[in-house]
Amino acid sequence: SYEMTQPPSVSVSPGQTARITCSADALPKQYAFWYQQKPGQAPVLVIYKDTERPSGIPERFSGSSSGTTATLTISGVQAEDEADYYCQSADSSGSYVAFGGGTRLTVL
Amino acid sequence: QLQLQKSGPGLVKPSETLSLTCTVSGGSINNRNFYWGWIRQPPGKGLEWIGHIFYSGSSYYNPSLKSRVTISVDTSKNQFSLRLSSVTAADTAVYYCARMPGRYDVLTGYYVLYFDYWGQGSLVTVSS
Repeated sequence: SYEMTQPPSVSVSPGQTARITCSADALPKQYAFWYQQKPGQAPVLVIYKDTERPSGIPERFSGSSSGTTATLTISGVQAEDEADYYCQSADSSGSYVAFGGGTRLTVL
Repeated sequence: QLQLQKSGPGLVKPSETLSLTCTVSGGSINNRNFYWGWIRQPPGKGLEWIGHIFYSGSSYYNPSLKSRVTISVDTSKNQFSLRLSSVTAADTAVYYCARMPGRYDVLTGYYVLYFDYWGQGSLVTVSS
């Protein structure tokens, strides 16, 4: 098993850039995936394979990964982006899945 | 459009077994490109992977729950199920079922495994 560490909270003003990090020793050898969860709703995939964006996800969402840290970047943050964000990865055999503890994004 | 519909009781007594079923519509569970998984979220807390299963029946579990969890699949009904035994109040959570694209990426050597479609979760409370 392995841990994925996220900051508990990030705050930004509308129009600014939010960066949410996820740290794990396994990340140099595995992809990171990111989910957005709004209150009372199921999570939604916003980034897969470190940098890919699913159809229907706004272009302001982007991802990157370097070494043991993956980063979700939201450019030009909007009020509707206020949510909890979770990173996720898997082990090299596909037999174990880990989630980060989640980051609450507050739009001031 | 793929849909996952979860069914099962919203209240389970301590020490009993929690049983949930997820019915897949708009796609076949009998597909080698996907696993089918269970995730839970205690009130006010983060997401926890419970386990996942392939259509063939191969299953994988969170080590912290492995002794109490069984995930099964019924391809004839396009369903997969979760059983969690000897429940306590700590098992009170919103439970989700989800589809999981899964494959080995030969170029990178990484295993691609994530959740792309989620069912609508519902709270399962453990209480007498």
